[in-house]
Amino acid sequence: DAGITQSPRHKVTETGTPVTLRCHQTENHRYMYWYRQDPGHGLRLIHYSYGVKDTDKGEVSDGYSVSRSKTEDFLLTLESATSSQTSVYFCAIKSGANEKLFFGSGTQLSVL
Amino acid sequence: DAKTTQPTSMDCAEGRAANLPCNHSTISGNEYVYWYRQIHSQGPQYIIHGLKNNETNEMASLIITEDRKSSTLILPHATLRDTAVYYCIVSRNYGGSQGNLIFGKGTKLSVKP
Repeated sequence: DAGITQSPRHKVTETGTPVTLRCHQTENHRYMYWYRQDPGHGLRLIHYSYGVKDTDKGEVSDGYSVSRSKTEDFLLTLESATSSQTSVYFCAIKSGANEKLFFGSGTQLSVL
Repeated sequence: DAKTTQPTSMDCAEGRAANLPCNHSTISGNEYVYWYRQIHSQGPQYIIHGLKNNETNEMASLIITEDRKSSTLILPHATLRDTAVYYCIVSRNYGGSQGNLIFGKGTKLSVKP
């Protein structure tokens, strides 16, 4: 599993509340990614990070922010959750110079 | 990155080889073929990748045609635990953060007893 831990594994929240998902890795990888997966859309990139304090937007970044204050943690924040953000969220790290990604176990988020 | 086409679903008998095809007719010279799979409710799992030579590892073999317009992932002795969605992805090796693998709909492989 490349030492990746996502927390929480499941969360139910209400519309308008802030939510933070955490991705923790133990192998000092530089590149980290947040994806969401929805039926009919497959996996879509939200944000990624290429180092401490270095982040950038992906394909579906609206409504999300990220932070990476230390190498091992990449946080995804929904400032004000909406029902359209109900999804499964996966964190990934890149290992090596190719596109070999290792994914976490995912967080099932339900926004009611 | 080039687009890929995969069958929506396939069945395979347990113990037999599973051959999963992928078409990528617009692949360019510096693009690799990657295969991932996703077992129900888990994160995607890297399987194998290649440029133009056939590749084999402990999980699978990847056969790429000479013109590189198609490839086949081979699971030599499929088990029930190989039931999953298999994604064929074509991508350059960005070598950094810019890479963004495009996961399409993939092929749902069902291995049956």
